[in-house]
Amino acid sequence: QVQLQQWGAGLLKPSETLSLTCAVHGGSFSGFYWTWIRQSPGKGLEWIGEKHHNGNSNFNPSLMSRLTISVETSKKQCSLRLTSVTAADTGVYFCARGHSTSGFDSWGQGTLVTVSS
Amino acid sequence: DIVMTQSPLSLPVTPGEPASISCRSSLSLLHVNGHTYLDWYLQKPGQSPQLLIYLSSKRASGVPDRFSGSGSGTDFTLRISRVEAEDVGVYYCMQALQIPYSFGQGTKLEIK
Repeated sequence: QVQLQQWGAGLLKPSETLSLTCAVHGGSFSGFYWTWIRQSPGKGLEWIGEKHHNGNSNFNPSLMSRLTISVETSKKQCSLRLTSVTAADTGVYFCARGHSTSGFDSWGQGTLVTVSS
Repeated sequence: DIVMTQSPLSLPVTPGEPASISCRSSLSLLHVNGHTYLDWYLQKPGQSPQLLIYLSSKRASGVPDRFSGSGSGTDFTLRISRVEAEDVGVYYCMQALQIPYSFGQGTKLEIK
């Protein structure tokens, strides 16, 4: 049974950089897209972007200029960096495991990130 | 971007009764490879979303067979044959055909 455990800073000031990491336990890292999704009261669920263990990646165009998603296969970890955050980036951030034809079948526990001065 | 629209937004159901949720996309979700890229997720209170249905009608591993997905093109339906108390939460459809993937607004199922 694969489990995703995520962590990172939960309180940021405007203009700072959001940084989260997701570790995969009990399952394969290869062959999947490692994905970040966020949830906010105003915008619901929003897909942020994904990276395959082979390096292929896809990003939400609305966030692309501020976004980095990286994978470290040896550690079975995926990381998210979002620069120049504003209050609009406040929300719960989830990592998830995805496959091109079978949905996001495992999710992290979520990390609440609040951006406030 | 593809817009996903769900209805109803609120769904009170008596245990043991059936329930259905509709999802409409602004563009056909049929890929040239023959797959239809529509998934359904349930977010139970206080939890992360969990996958119920992928490719419009395929049940994810461990999902009870009272859940079924149907539809094609732009119109999709999630059906629960007999609602149980553990089915409460918010149901989301999501399109995975085109970047950026996008979710519906969510349908909150509650027990009467």
